[in-house]
Amino acid sequence: AQKVTQAQTEISVVEKEDVTLDCVYETRDTTYYLFWYKQPPSGELVFLIRRNSFDEQNEISGRYSWNFQKSTSSFNFTITASQVVDSAVYFCALSGQGGSEKLVFGKGMKLTVNP
Amino acid sequence: EPEVTQTPSHQVTQMGQEVILRCVPISNHLYFYWYRQILGQKVEFLVSFYNNEISEKSEIFDDQFSVERPDGSNFTLKIRSTKLEDSAMYFCASSDRWGIGEKLFFGSGTQLSVL
Repeated sequence: AQKVTQAQTEISVVEKEDVTLDCVYETRDTTYYLFWYKQPPSGELVFLIRRNSFDEQNEISGRYSWNFQKSTSSFNFTITASQVVDSAVYFCALSGQGGSEKLVFGKGMKLTVNP
Repeated sequence: EPEVTQTPSHQVTQMGQEVILRCVPISNHLYFYWYRQILGQKVEFLVSFYNNEISEKSEIFDDQFSVERPDGSNFTLKIRSTKLEDSAMYFCASSDRWGIGEKLFFGSGTQLSVL
């Protein structure tokens, strides 16, 4: 069975601090994809990134970076120099062959960035 | 940027009543999904839909649930006889491609409260 664990439920930081959101996954599939979605106060789920299981290169997009490590089944997300607008709930998700295109989500982690 | 639109944003109903949640997916997308999130819990897959047929459904999606694409733009989720445990945020999503790893575009959700 596929499973995504986000151990942190809530984090509060002060603006400009760096923050890392942890994600650990379980799957028996050899081909799978990992995602991060952001849910701002307005409610929608906003796609941030997708990685496939064969690509362990870390990725940086502006203040966001992702560290994918198959050896530890982790796909962690770091926000550098956090801003108030980063305040949201962040979800890690997984899709794989066993589950076709459906996403299996973690419980989400609420990030609050204070001025 | 194109977006998935859901209406209503909030729906309150009495137990046993039928509800229809409405979604307008992105216009050129062909694959449609419903997910739900019970308060404090994970976002869960309900159903995927393509070519006027259900492609996959979860255990949650029992006979009380149905989906329909009544015209070229709307995608609906009907719950025939609501239960208290159906109270949740329901998310509609769409994508332009099929298969694992495809990026889903989510709406802002409909918060359903069953009293």
